[in-house]
Amino acid sequence: DQQVKQNSPSLSVQEGRISILNCDYTNSMFDYFLWYKKYPAEGPTFLISISSIKDKNEDGRFTVFLNKSAKHLSLHIVPSQPGDSAVYFCAASRMYSGGGADGLTFGKGTHLIIQP
Amino acid sequence: EPEVTQTPSHQVTQMGQEVILRCVPISNHLYFYWYRQILGQKVEFLVSFYNNEISEKSEIFDDQFSVERPDGSNFTLKIRSTKLEDSAMYFCASSRALSGSNQPQHFGDGTRLSIL
Repeated sequence: DQQVKQNSPSLSVQEGRISILNCDYTNSMFDYFLWYKKYPAEGPTFLISISSIKDKNEDGRFTVFLNKSAKHLSLHIVPSQPGDSAVYFCAASRMYSGGGADGLTFGKGTHLIIQP
Repeated sequence: EPEVTQTPSHQVTQMGQEVILRCVPISNHLYFYWYRQILGQKVEFLVSFYNNEISEKSEIFDDQFSVERPDGSNFTLKIRSTKLEDSAMYFCASSRALSGSNQPQHFGDGTRLSIL
């Protein structure tokens, strides 16, 4: 049951170039999307989020784009830096669920490798 | 920057024994969560907790699991009779609830649970 899919297990990008990580979802009830970054032996670190009322959210070098009709979101990192090398997880939830605190549904992750 | 802390970082337990994993969420956060990640698999939602009661739980969170907020700072996950398949990394997360706002979940670094 893959409600959130990250189809690229790994991605290699040259330092200074743009990194684009993709994520697809199938559950139309999702209305809040997040990207997390994870280093080995650490927990996921929140990067950026977007709600379904927007199609773009930007924070410094990170921009998330949401295409609701295609049920697709992407994370752009520009310029890519060596410290960006990590596993990136896409996650989704329902923002309003009658007061309940919804858990996040995660993708399998994409291992981003920034090459000098 | 405030962070979620989890103890211990690694727990080794004999099958059939009870185990308690501990978490200190970020102090002004109101929603608390447990997730697990079995080696090589996705991060999976277990349970959310708000106002001293379970808010949502997944199919994984069966009668062997329980959560508690025993005091004003700790949040615990208890597994009553551990099985080999409970071996995983367990992540605690917390979020600040604001009505009508997107509030990301912030994760601890996890407890690696090994069942022998």
